[in-house]
Amino acid sequence: DAKTTQPTSMDCAEGRAANLPCNHSTISGNEYVYWYRQIHSQGPQYIIHGLKNNETNEMASLIITEDRKSSTLILPHATLRDTAVYYCIVSPNQGGKLIFGQGTELSVKP
Amino acid sequence: DAGITQSPRHKVTETGTPVTLRCHQTENHRYMYWYRQDPGHGLRLIHYSYGVKDTDKGEVSDGYSVSRSKTEDFLLTLESATSSQTSVYFCAISDASGRDEQFFGPGTRLTVL
Repeated sequence: DAKTTQPTSMDCAEGRAANLPCNHSTISGNEYVYWYRQIHSQGPQYIIHGLKNNETNEMASLIITEDRKSSTLILPHATLRDTAVYYCIVSPNQGGKLIFGQGTELSVKP
Repeated sequence: DAGITQSPRHKVTETGTPVTLRCHQTENHRYMYWYRQDPGHGLRLIHYSYGVKDTDKGEVSDGYSVSRSKTEDFLLTLESATSSQTSVYFCAISDASGRDEQFFGPGTRLTVL
């Protein structure tokens, strides 16, 4: 079973920041937090991952709480092309096996 | 985009027939994975490989076998297809560490009648 809890769906206005929360209260010390997204009918796309420090790349920022029990993915300026299902995954650093949950369906609206 | 192709992209077959899906990569990545995706279940790991001839089971491996005789190819075989194996199958790859991002292929839509 997935070790994360995410809202089923969220809306965001185009141009605004999208903040996607994820709870992972049972995360272990060696587990990373990964975020992927899946645009309809395509293969999932990696976004970002982190262990305990906040991370930023060209796509998004990942904020992990100090106790590591939750995190937030931030898309700073959402566009219509960011409409997708976003998956938060926790995984140990052993072979990269990922367990996907249901994810959050993000709809970016004009 | 990472060099991953899957073949065939679509297949319709009948119950009881054998089916083999192919994943081919040009990235020379060590790790390869097969997932299936069904409505209401997200993606579930079937099998994965951590090197040539080195494979292991995922969470839904029953009814599936895999083979990896060379770095670039990872084959998924359904020995005797059943209707419950109707799904979209995704292949993924990751680099030597297996800890970094996975790159996914375009998927194969399999229908078992």
